[in-house]
Amino acid sequence: NAGVTQTPKFRILKIGQSMTLQCTQDMNHNYMYWYRQDPGMGLKLIYYSVGAGITDKGEVPNGYNVSRSTTEDFPLRLELAAPSQTSVYFCASSKQGRDEKLFFGSGTQLSVL
Amino acid sequence: GESVGLHLPTLSVQEGDNSIINCAYSNSASDYFIWYKQESGKGPQFIIDIRSNMDKRQGQRVTVLLNKTVKHLSLQIAATQPGDSAVYFCAEIAGNQFYFGTGTSLTVIP
Repeated sequence: NAGVTQTPKFRILKIGQSMTLQCTQDMNHNYMYWYRQDPGMGLKLIYYSVGAGITDKGEVPNGYNVSRSTTEDFPLRLELAAPSQTSVYFCASSKQGRDEKLFFGSGTQLSVL
Repeated sequence: GESVGLHLPTLSVQEGDNSIINCAYSNSASDYFIWYKQESGKGPQFIIDIRSNMDKRQGQRVTVLLNKTVKHLSLQIAATQPGDSAVYFCAEIAGNQFYFGTGTSLTVIP
């Protein structure tokens, strides 16, 4: 049981490039989330999903897209990378949502130069 | 959005002493609170949670206290060990979303 797995761990992008951050969980959790963590700031919710085929915006969705074709996978897409997207990204999952603790992946450190 | 803040950004304690990490929240409607631990280079890890119908909850070496009157949450770590060195976040659940504090960095001095 690996929990929540994120890839890659590190990535450097040039301005305007695109990439997909991968996230998969093997706990059969319905809810999945993407957060970004900036220095000195709390985690900010980018997008979340309550189940396969259902996604919704969080607090800071601009510049990102997501899809949820399966229960296990929840990739995050950056289409036109900008320096403001330099951050550490965390994927998380929970079984039912608001009354359940979140399980986090180990994070992706992204730099946009 | 909701604000969840911490009283001190850093805390240093001697090994074996007790640690207390504080958190303030602003939404009186929040009814579920969680403490997370984040070690360097890793994702946050669940420590303990508490619901608003409780004032205190104990785990293994950790205790969470909730004071709804002043909207204050604290995490107490007994007999702090070097492995407890990390950043600790509180989170409040309001509506269907989690709101995280900025974190307190705990350093344990051997």
